[in-house]
Amino acid sequence: EAQVTQNPRYLITVTGKKLTVTCSQNMNHEYMSWYRQDPGLGLRQIYYSMNVEVTDKGDVPEGYKVSRKEKRNFPLILESPSPNQTSLYFCASTRRAPAGDTQYFGPGTRLTVL
Amino acid sequence: AQSVSQHNHHVILSEAASLELGCNYSYGGTVNLFWYVQYPGQHLQLLLKYFSGDPLVKGIKGFEAEFIKSKFSFNLRKPSVQWSDTAEYFCAVTNTGGFKTIFGAGTRLFVKA
Repeated sequence: EAQVTQNPRYLITVTGKKLTVTCSQNMNHEYMSWYRQDPGLGLRQIYYSMNVEVTDKGDVPEGYKVSRKEKRNFPLILESPSPNQTSLYFCASTRRAPAGDTQYFGPGTRLTVL
Repeated sequence: AQSVSQHNHHVILSEAASLELGCNYSYGGTVNLFWYVQYPGQHLQLLLKYFSGDPLVKGIKGFEAEFIKSKFSFNLRKPSVQWSDTAEYFCAVTNTGGFKTIFGAGTRLFVKA
């Protein structure tokens, strides 16, 4: 089944404790992206990757890191999480750049930073 | 700055009522436009998209949207909503050839049975 998976689905952590949210797709898509969803703000793009070893900042990259060492995986790293990073996070993938192409979303990761 | 504006944050309708959700964008150049839907507890999925051709596009579950270039709008419509349409709806824009996607803030639709 074609899908985007994320782990964990739920995470409660404390300020400053490094964490990684994994994202994996099995569709051989070139383009992957991370978003955060906050009430009243919709989805905001954090980082995106056009292909292996090619990443760039979205609109809200502060406090996040990403890497793309393999085509299928695009982990999101919070080196020192803070309470303002409490949010619902979505990973998405697209066959190529999103213009005109459908993004396939993962199930989401609900992160709470205390 | 590039932006997407969804006019209604919350909409409550009765079953069989008609639906129109507004979406306006501010984006230079040629754009590609999308409507995504998020049902309660589920992830986002595509309803419909426009990137060229007929400005009236039809999507899944009886939804359609019209691209009006002169108004920078891409409004979503459905003639008769059902209880199962209760969800949050997001308008999104990318510029042709671009890598970034801008989403609107979303509209929560509640359909009363």
